[in-house]
Amino acid sequence: DADVTQTPRNRITKTGKRIMLECSQTKGHDRMYWYRQDPGLGLRLIYYSFDVKDINKGEISDGYSVSRQAQAKFSLSLESAIPNQTALYFCATRGTGGDPEAFFGQGTRLTVV
Amino acid sequence: AQSVAQPEDQVNVAEGNPLTVKCTYSVSGNPYLFWYVQYPNRGLQFLLKYITGDNLVKGSYGFEAEFNKSQTSFHLKKPSALVSDSALYFCAVRDSDGGSQGNLIFGKGTKLSVKP
Repeated sequence: DADVTQTPRNRITKTGKRIMLECSQTKGHDRMYWYRQDPGLGLRLIYYSFDVKDINKGEISDGYSVSRQAQAKFSLSLESAIPNQTALYFCATRGTGGDPEAFFGQGTRLTVV
Repeated sequence: AQSVAQPEDQVNVAEGNPLTVKCTYSVSGNPYLFWYVQYPNRGLQFLLKYITGDNLVKGSYGFEAEFNKSQTSFHLKKPSALVSDSALYFCAVRDSDGGSQGNLIFGKGTKLSVKP
């Protein structure tokens, strides 16, 4: 089983619909992140959470919200999806110990029509 | 503010030739530097990191990277490219002193194409 699991892997939704992307991890990490990947723009940070009670906006949080339901679960919601939110979304986790690298899920490809 | 630049959108290399993917960075404190690779329809996989110590770091799949503090660079290299190395490569930086909440900042990615 993957250390960081994202569901769904692919989703097509209509403009104006609410959609939730889910992420769960088995790494035991406190820090979890949601990134968005667009061609030519790299990965941009949407939201991040340092623990269940600590949630922070990233550089492109408008139009998104998150929920940290447990240490292992961090979900991203689009309250009213719009076409320019079509992108590849990644969840990532990071520990606070000696290994500073982040671990990524497989990604969710979201298309808003 | 932290930033990462990958000046080449695409790098083309013949199989068996050496490859270099360039990365320069800007942080206010001391950098932690990373390279990730993304194969088609896959997530990002960690390749290697520089935290401290030897400027030449070795990672997965025969890749290595050299940290150059004076040039603020962290170029990814491999002595002999394989067709299977074709993928999208991302450089990332984190401020070890806690700048930007210690979050990873990514470059825009470089597509590596290795031809037989």
